[in-house]
Amino acid sequence: GQNIDQPTEMTATEGAIVQINCTYQTSGFNGLFWYQQHAGEAPTFLSYNVLDGLEETGRFSSFLSRSKGYSYLLLKELQMKDSASYLCAVKDSNYQLIWGAGTKLIIKP
Amino acid sequence: DTAVSQTPKYLVTQMGNDKSIKCEQNLGHDTMYWYKQDSKKFLKIMFSYNNKELIINETVPNRFSPKSPDKAHLNLHINSLELGDSAVYFCASSQVTVSGELFFGEGSRLTVL
Repeated sequence: GQNIDQPTEMTATEGAIVQINCTYQTSGFNGLFWYQQHAGEAPTFLSYNVLDGLEETGRFSSFLSRSKGYSYLLLKELQMKDSASYLCAVKDSNYQLIWGAGTKLIIKP
Repeated sequence: DTAVSQTPKYLVTQMGNDKSIKCEQNLGHDTMYWYKQDSKKFLKIMFSYNNKELIINETVPNRFSPKSPDKAHLNLHINSLELGDSAVYFCASSQVTVSGELFFGEGSRLTVL
């Protein structure tokens, strides 16, 4: 079967750095996505990785290792508004998105 | 301008009733989706339409029927509502690009009593 694993919940301090991991086992791979979802709101796109390596967008970076079936989302200089769920999703060989359950990130002052 | 809009945002109804949720996107995307997000926060694909044609129909009860009058609209009709249908339903759209990221509507929270 296809599976995406990510921690259920993480806590970090304002101003710090946090890394949210995602491991996947899918039938084929056509890219990995990270989405942010604030409570009661819609998911919004953060990043897309299809090749190995690091993609950086402002305070957020996403890393991919296809051989290890592994990605992480790195958030720097954490702000209170970063408190949200972070969803990892992988496009399989049929270009269907397989979603993780999300990691709830709690930021403390 | 809202890119993907869905109505209503909240729906409270009794078991056995029929309800509809409407979705419209003004992004010019070719593909639209309906997702269900339950209390455990898993996003589950229900339907996907590409240029008004159904391309994914995951195993959902046939009480759920999508309708796409044109490629900018994808509505969801639910017959004989059950308690287990309570969830947030998200409409989304995407374009055929390298990444093809999804753009989501604000969600419609359905509560069945």
